[in-house]
Amino acid sequence: QSALTQPASVSGSPGQSITISCTGTSSDVGSYNLVSWYQQHPGKAPKLMIYEGSKRPSGVSNRFSGSKSGNTASLTISGLQAEDEADYYCCSYAGSSTFWVFGGGTKLTVL
Amino acid sequence: EVQLVESGGGLVKPGGSLRLSCAASGFTFSSYSMNWVRQAPGKGLEWVSSISSSSSYIYYADSVKGRFTISRDNAKNSLYLQMNSLRAEDTAVYYCASVGSAPALDYWGQGTLVTVSS
Repeated sequence: QSALTQPASVSGSPGQSITISCTGTSSDVGSYNLVSWYQQHPGKAPKLMIYEGSKRPSGVSNRFSGSKSGNTASLTISGLQAEDEADYYCCSYAGSSTFWVFGGGTKLTVL
Repeated sequence: EVQLVESGGGLVKPGGSLRLSCAASGFTFSSYSMNWVRQAPGKGLEWVSSISSSSSYIYYADSVKGRFTISRDNAKNSLYLQMNSLRAEDTAVYYCASVGSAPALDYWGQGTLVTVSS
């Protein structure tokens, strides 16, 4: 059982937008503005896409955006492209005892 | 260019030991905290351990506490994970990841596979 809850799968057609939710608790997502999102293609290492809830690292497309409300964070991908098909993981800082907690991952399929 | 290269993975019997290494380049290794994150076959990501830039602060997931030891050598730009009393459930790809200017796991290595099986 993962600490953060994500849908197992989402799908969308090219050009559409999708949103992936990430639900935690008041001990992690709700307490810290330290939610990050990672993209992972099969057989590859995860790649940081969003940090501090809504900030994009240099080089990440502005089609990726993040937000947070209460204990739930969200990742939105607009203008879906074939190369966006991957697994996406949310992650939150959860204090010095638990440190980083991950969601179970969401498989994005571009139809 | 930031590079993190893990090594040391392999097949080990239950109860055995293994030492993973992560060689860093392209950034000021001594300034950043480092982490180990693992991924069991077909499963999600699991944080394993974290060490601060000067090794003053060290943290472990409950699942590995007392069995794994994280360390670093800033002179050698290297991160280590000593894994003892290995169990089948420790089978995973182990990634090293840095926490840099962004408070997140911003750079990852390619991973090294650890298989615990008799």
